[in-house]
Amino acid sequence: AQKITQTQPGMFVQEKEAVTLDCTYDTSDPSYGLFWYKQPSSGEMIFLIYQGSYDQQNATEGRYSLNFQKARKSANLVISASQLGDSAMYFCAMRERQTGANNLFFGTGTRLTVIP
Amino acid sequence: GAGVSQSPSNKVTEKGKDVELRCDPISGHTALYWYRQSLGQGLEFLIYFQGNSAPDKSGLPSDRFSAERTGGSVSTLTIQRTQQEDSAVYLCASSGDPRDTQYFGPGTRLTVL
Repeated sequence: AQKITQTQPGMFVQEKEAVTLDCTYDTSDPSYGLFWYKQPSSGEMIFLIYQGSYDQQNATEGRYSLNFQKARKSANLVISASQLGDSAMYFCAMRERQTGANNLFFGTGTRLTVIP
Repeated sequence: GAGVSQSPSNKVTEKGKDVELRCDPISGHTALYWYRQSLGQGLEFLIYFQGNSAPDKSGLPSDRFSAERTGGSVSTLTIQRTQQEDSAVYLCASSGDPRDTQYFGPGTRLTVL
């Protein structure tokens, strides 16, 4: 089974509007971290936001917020007030802590296009 | 610089040749990771170094792949006898914060002809 599922290969959003990028995860580890990264056409992976499995509040970083629904195992990224520079690939990732895996498991990504 | 650096940014090689890819992590970061990003396979974990511990090599796809980390800092990923399916972007990341956030370098695009 996939550990991270991103079901939206591509999304379009009008400039200045908000957009939600979906991410669901699968783990039996009670302790894990969830991450979102942005990958522009230049190729570099840019860290956006982190949510720990024991965090009581949803994470926020500027225009980015993470809609964390633990019971549903979802960690959707919300981008508010979209800008043209937000056009990029977005990857959801997870790190399990107790299973001993040291790496991030990545989803297949969502390509976001912001329309002027 | 403050970020993870990788060199070369692009590498074109012929099938059967060996290549070395270099990663310079963020100063002070004890953990270093190599990933591979290819069209067919997405982002795959390759290898992980933590301090002076033995590396986690569980993601290496074959014995043609190896990596070392000298002095707990710079790392080199070596691919021997390259094959066309090795063509990909090789990403290096490092982490050092309690949340284990991994910060990535710009990657090396490897093309095997």
